[in-house]
Parts: sequence; C-alpha cells; structure tokens
Amino acid sequence: KQEVTQIPAALSVPEGENLVLNCSFTDSAIYNLQWFRQDPGKGLTSLLLIQSSQREQTSGRLNASLDKSSGRSTLYIAASQPGDSATYLCAASLSYNTDKLIFGTGTRLQVFP
Amino acid sequence: DADVTQTPRNRITKTGKRIMLECSQTKGHDRMYWYRQDPGLGLRLIYYSFDVKDINKGEISDGYSVSRQAQAKFSLSLESAIPNQTALYFCATSDLRAGVPEQFFGPGTRLTVL
Repeated sequence: KQEVTQIPAALSVPEGENLVLNCSFTDSAIYNLQWFRQDPGKGLTSLLLIQSSQREQTSGRLNASLDKSSGRSTLYIAASQPGDSATYLCAASLSYNTDKLIFGTGTRLQVFP
Repeated sequence: DADVTQTPRNRITKTGKRIMLECSQTKGHDRMYWYRQDPGLGLRLIYYSFDVKDINKGEISDGYSVSRQAQAKFSLSLESAIPNQTALYFCATSDLRAGVPEQFFGPGTRLTVL
C-alpha cells in the first residue's frame, strides 16, 4: 500500500531564507507527483506536477524534484516571503487510469518578517 | 468566478440527518472526485467519477453515496450522518484529455455532525 510522508510537520523561518520541504513515498511505481498549497479555510491550489518521466519542474520561486528510485520529492522555495505561509501538501498518483491521489499529511510553513 | 464551487461552505447537522454536499465545475473536465480531510490524516478519497455513467468507490466510501447528475455536477450524500464524519470535504476535477490529469480543488465544505 502506497504511503506518503512529509517531514517536517511544521517549519518556521525568517523571511528571505531558502527552504526545502520533503515528501517520501513507499512505492516507486507512481505515475506523477503533485504539490499543493492550502491556506486556512480555503481549498488546495496546485503548485507543480511532476510526471514520472521527469526529474523536476519549476514555477517562479518554486522548484520541485522527483527521485523515484529513492522514493523522494522535494519542494524548494527560494527567497521565502510571509505570503508563502501556508500548509504544503504532496500527493502521489498511482496510475494514469485511476488517477487516484495518495496525500501526505502536509508541512505547515510559517515565514515571519 | 471560481472554476470549482462547493455548497454549502459550512454545515452543522445532527446525528442521523441526511446531508447532501454539492460540487459544480465550469472547467469542462470529465473526472470528478470527493475527498475528506481530517487533522493528522491528510486527504482521503471517498468516491470518484470519470463520466456521468461512471461511479467508483475510493478508500473510505462506507457511509457515503454520490450522484453524477451531469458532467459539471457531482454530489456527495451522507444518508445518516454520524459524528466521525465531521471533517473538511473537498471536491476536485481533472481532465484526462489534457494528457496529464492534474487535479484542481474546490474551496471545501466544513461539516460538523453533533
């Protein structure tokens, strides 16, 4: 059974720091991996999606990498800002046909001025 | 306007009541999903549908039912609500035709069962 783990559960950093959020999965046979942002009282916003054939994806200050052999994905946030404060979730898709996502429990990030 | 909308946004109900949560989307996507989120457990899939005639159980479907009334609408029902169904419920959509089925989420419905 695929399990997705995110460490740390919470992180507090000063503004301007570069930071890395970690996501681990137990079964390397994933179809893709998606990173989301969740703000309090709001839904999930898709940040980046990495297909199994890709190694990384970039969007602005965000870079996500995928290493299937080690069962890991990382989300790198450059020059963090207070507006980046949110919970970050990763989710692994098991196959193209079923498209079901297995979610991690998230990393709650706080960036203080 | 939001692409994926959910109604109601908040609901408080009593044990034993029938509840329906509704999801509508204007993205034209064929696939729709219902998830619930509990503290410390992440999001878990309840049901999913690939088109109007297709309904599939997810990880935790017991106590729930769904209806795909149209391509744009997917409803989740709790026939007899119980307190452990208190959670945040999310609807999501994706588009197989896009080649990469990235999922897009609604704002969520916070349900409290007393």
